[in-house]
Amino acid sequence: EAQVTQNPRYLITVTGKKLTVTCSQNMNHEYMSWYRQDPGLGLRQIYYSMNVEVTDKGDVPEGYKVSRKEKRNFPLILESPSPNQTSLYFCASSFSDTPAFFGQGTRLTVV
Amino acid sequence: DAKTTQPTSMDCAEGRAANLPCNHSTISGNEYVYWYRQIHSQGPQYIIHGLKNNETNEMASLIITEDRKSSTLILPHATLRDTAVYYCIVRVPNQGGKLIFGQGTELSVKP
Repeated sequence: EAQVTQNPRYLITVTGKKLTVTCSQNMNHEYMSWYRQDPGLGLRQIYYSMNVEVTDKGDVPEGYKVSRKEKRNFPLILESPSPNQTSLYFCASSFSDTPAFFGQGTRLTVV
Repeated sequence: DAKTTQPTSMDCAEGRAANLPCNHSTISGNEYVYWYRQIHSQGPQYIIHGLKNNETNEMASLIITEDRKSSTLILPHATLRDTAVYYCIVRVPNQGGKLIFGQGTELSVKP
């Protein structure tokens, strides 16, 4: 079954404790992105990757890092999380000219 | 900034057609219009997309005006399970398939 898998689905952490949210897709897609969703602000792109070892900033990259060492994986790294990074996060993947598939989301709370 | 504007909410009777409008007056010639929906806080689900011709698939129809400044998503026979937030989105080419989300329309299908 074609899918984008995010882990964990829910996470509560403390300010400053590094964390990684994983994203994996099984469709051989070149494009992968991370979005965050906040009330009143909709979904905004954090980072994207157009292929292995090719990543770039989206609209709200501050406080986040990503890597793309393999085609299927695109982890989101928060080196020093802060409360303003409390949000619902989505990973998405696609080919260049096909609709994006989204993962089921990761709800992150930073206290 | 979002490139689309949609009504905040709409109601539809079960079994009737739901017509969801969207304005995208600043869309560029190579930007596609995509429609996604989100049920509760699940990952957005792809519905349909188009460039300038009308499109139909098993879920919905998409009508795009000739000047491409607006479009309408049609769910021909709405069911209670179609209750969701519907996003009309402009897809930016080459930026990792970037989707620019607006605030969406909250569609309530009522018995």
